[in-house]
Amino acid sequence: EAGVAQSPRYKIIEKRQSVAFWCNPISGHATLYWYQQILGQGPKLLIQFQNNGVVDDSQLPKDRFSAERLKGVDSTLKIQPAKLEDSAVYLCASSLKFATEDYNEQFFGPGTRLTVL
Amino acid sequence: GQSLEQPSEVTAVEGAIVQINCTYQTSGFYGLSWYQQHDGGAPTFLSYNALDGLEETGRFSSFLSRSDSYGYLLLQELQMKDSASYFCAVRMDSSYKLIFGSGTRLLVRP
Repeated sequence: EAGVAQSPRYKIIEKRQSVAFWCNPISGHATLYWYQQILGQGPKLLIQFQNNGVVDDSQLPKDRFSAERLKGVDSTLKIQPAKLEDSAVYLCASSLKFATEDYNEQFFGPGTRLTVL
Repeated sequence: GQSLEQPSEVTAVEGAIVQINCTYQTSGFYGLSWYQQHDGGAPTFLSYNALDGLEETGRFSSFLSRSDSYGYLLLQELQMKDSASYFCAVRMDSSYKLIFGSGTRLLVRP
């Protein structure tokens, strides 16, 4: 079974530029997550999709970040304009179900390492 | 706010046992997860506890005490490949949203 795919793996941009990240979740997974992981910290959830609807985007800086999941499969995360503090690894994860009593493991992609100069 | 506390670093010898603690204060609680992340790699799932007690999976065990808002990950028969960061994460509600701790970096020495 193929895992979560992300591209690009690395990106270096100047501040105030725009950048976009792409994620392809595991086939059949209904829920997709974008996390930001700053060096030395744990992943922080930015946005959670259930199919193509947003479940939680309370920690997404909406003045500069946007995300979409068209057709409930692939997703893109965009930053416009980037700031120095956006330098981080952006992780995409997916899980099979949405809300049940059983645990629902999240499978993470390899991430995109963003450096903002 | 939500907070999870875990030690920043732990060092242990190959073959030994190590325990990584996690205490949490969150507005909701469904369960506690543990993830492993090697440098430059993706987090991978290790365990999940929804009820009090010990869950064992091979060399790894995880414990939860809901009344104490406390859990730990126990790694036995340490191997060099266990050198990685370990994150506890609270599942706060039915949506599987996770709040991660800042991670514990485990260094296994020969």
